Amino acid sequence: GAVVSQHPSWVICKSGTSVKIECRSLDFQATTMFWYRQFPKQSLMLMATSNEGSKATYEQGVEKDKFLINHASLTLSTLTVTSAHPEDSSFYICSATTGPSYEQYFGAGTRLSVL
Amino acid sequence: LAKTTQPISMDSYEGQEVNITCSHNNIATNDYITWYQQFPSQGPRFIIQGYKTKVTNEVASLFIPADRKSSTLSLPRVSLSDTAVYYCLVGDRNTGRRALTFGSGTRLQVQP
Repeated sequence: GAVVSQHPSWVICKSGTSVKIECRSLDFQATTMFWYRQFPKQSLMLMATSNEGSKATYEQGVEKDKFLINHASLTLSTLTVTSAHPEDSSFYICSATTGPSYEQYFGAGTRLSVL
Repeated sequence: LAKTTQPISMDSYEGQEVNITCSHNNIATNDYITWYQQFPSQGPRFIIQGYKTKVTNEVASLFIPADRKSSTLSLPRVSLSDTAVYYCLVGDRNTGRRALTFGSGTRLQVQP
């Protein structure tokens, strides 16, 4: 089956620093990738939709200048949390889809802890 | 996008069949229904998808009535490892308007 690799799985950083999270589709080309955020005991919340070669579409309430998304190739999308603060501590999950397929293939997630 | 409603939590015992129902009253004609499973600190995992009637795979069955306003995920003979959160989503497969809105999910706890 389709595999999505997300790296790192866990990151701790100091407040004010930036953190980059990578999402790779290992055995398929992902025309679209999605980024979600999940707080403890809560559901996934869509942050943005990323299409290869174009600007990401952000959901209402998500700061595009704080959460920079780059989808430079059909197998890689990155999410950079800029100037991270403790309230950005969360579980970030990416997913990828192929062409007309409806199924999302999810990465294992990245737990971000901002001190 | 169609909103989904599921029970917040369910309890079961090993070996029992578990049925989780999801309501999606305003489902559109082209919408498919998809169920995901999520373990703590992991990304969701696809379980099953369907449009109408019944779909079965190696891990679960999905029952969808004729009006499609609800769906039921059936897990046969659950084990402790089935303890997880289960989400149902609806979305349009054909136009790419995919289900991206996760509801609250159902937290299934399987006891020995």
